[in-house]
Amino acid sequence: DAGITQSPRHKVTETGTPVTLRCHQTENHRYMYWYRQDPGHGLRLIHYSYGVKDTDKGEVSDGYSVSRSKTEDFLLTLESATSSQTSVYFCAISPDGYEQYFGPGTRLTVT
Amino acid sequence: RKEVEQDPGPFNVPEGATVAFNCTYSNSASQSFFWYRQDCRKEPKLLMSVYSSGNEDGRFTAQLNRASQYISLLIRDSKLSDSATYLCVANTNAGKSTFGDGTTLTVKP
Repeated sequence: DAGITQSPRHKVTETGTPVTLRCHQTENHRYMYWYRQDPGHGLRLIHYSYGVKDTDKGEVSDGYSVSRSKTEDFLLTLESATSSQTSVYFCAISPDGYEQYFGPGTRLTVT
Repeated sequence: RKEVEQDPGPFNVPEGATVAFNCTYSNSASQSFFWYRQDCRKEPKLLMSVYSSGNEDGRFTAQLNRASQYISLLIRDSKLSDSATYLCVANTNAGKSTFGDGTTLTVKP
């Protein structure tokens, strides 16, 4: 299995609070991604990175920001969490931007 | 209309059956395609890439039809352990992936 971890694995937070999710890889892959998965919507791309400090928006980027200051870490920040951001968040990595390998996911509940 | 569409199923088949899933994509700029498998409450895992010439991996065969803009996955001799949700993916370029919502397969004894 690809060396990819996510933290925290579970989080409950209140509406309006900031939240940061971390994705860490040990594979030295160039690409990193953040997705959210909700019933009825499948996996939707939030943001992705194609190198250190290089990021781009995905399909559902509103309300989210990302940062990648090191190859191995990709952070997803919800500046002010809303109940609509309750979801399962998956990080993925890829050596070339095509085949992707996913982390175990983070279950986020915003109350 | 979603960019990548799959029949959500569920597909309920007996062990040993052959089952096929189709996936259609609307963006003609899509270049590469994949199938992933996702078990309940787990992360998706790459099952196989899909090549224009078709490709096979054991009991699994993937095919691409660019003219009709669909990809397929055929599973032969279904096992109980094949029960999962199967996701198809289309890439327009490196980094830009669009996932279908998945097709659920249940293989029964």
